[in-house]
Amino acid sequence: ETGVTQTPRHLVMGMTNKKSLKCEQHLGHNAMYWYKQSAKKPLELMFVYSLEERVENNSVPSRFSPECPNSSHLFLHLHTLQPEDSALYLCASSQVLGNNYGYTFGSGTRLTVV
Amino acid sequence: GEDVEQSLFLSVREGDSSVINCTYTDSSSTYLYWYKQEPGAGLQLLTYIFSNMDMKQDQRLTVLLNKKDKHLSLRIADTQTGDSAIYFCAEKDSSYKLIFGSGTRLLVRP
Repeated sequence: ETGVTQTPRHLVMGMTNKKSLKCEQHLGHNAMYWYKQSAKKPLELMFVYSLEERVENNSVPSRFSPECPNSSHLFLHLHTLQPEDSALYLCASSQVLGNNYGYTFGSGTRLTVV
Repeated sequence: GEDVEQSLFLSVREGDSSVINCTYTDSSSTYLYWYKQEPGAGLQLLTYIFSNMDMKQDQRLTVLLNKKDKHLSLRIADTQTGDSAIYFCAEKDSSYKLIFGSGTRLLVRP
């Protein structure tokens, strides 16, 4: 499979649950990103990894925990979330960190916290 | 801080041209982008323009950049119903941070 793949596509979780979002790319890209997309708000950059090293933690609450075990996979571990965390979580990758020719996005995971 | 603004909504008739506008504040922007998001999908890169250019054309898409006014536009010629989506403007400086607008929802009426 080509492109950036995110699973699951939809997730409903309670505030006391622990879940993980997965992102996978087979493009040979070295940088991966997590974005949060809330209704009527600009996309918010959450985390950035380059060559499996975290280079950005954009004031994200600790209930979100990223993991990048290799350059093809990125996870977002979730625990004790709040209803305001409900959003579309988008993963993106780029050939190198800050590639000028654009980032490739996955289709996102629609998260609902109840 | 950096800010990117777009109008929220645009409605056009099929076959007409659509023009989506964007303004940004960061004068150090080096690249500017247009992304398209269809329902239930992620963002798809449509086109980008380097800040030392003032126009770029790619088939039905024309990007105009007025660097002095920090204004970017996307023109879609012969708009089709399949063009209905949300269009995001984004800018990037020399770092890795893409700053997005809130998106413009384009509705194409038959």
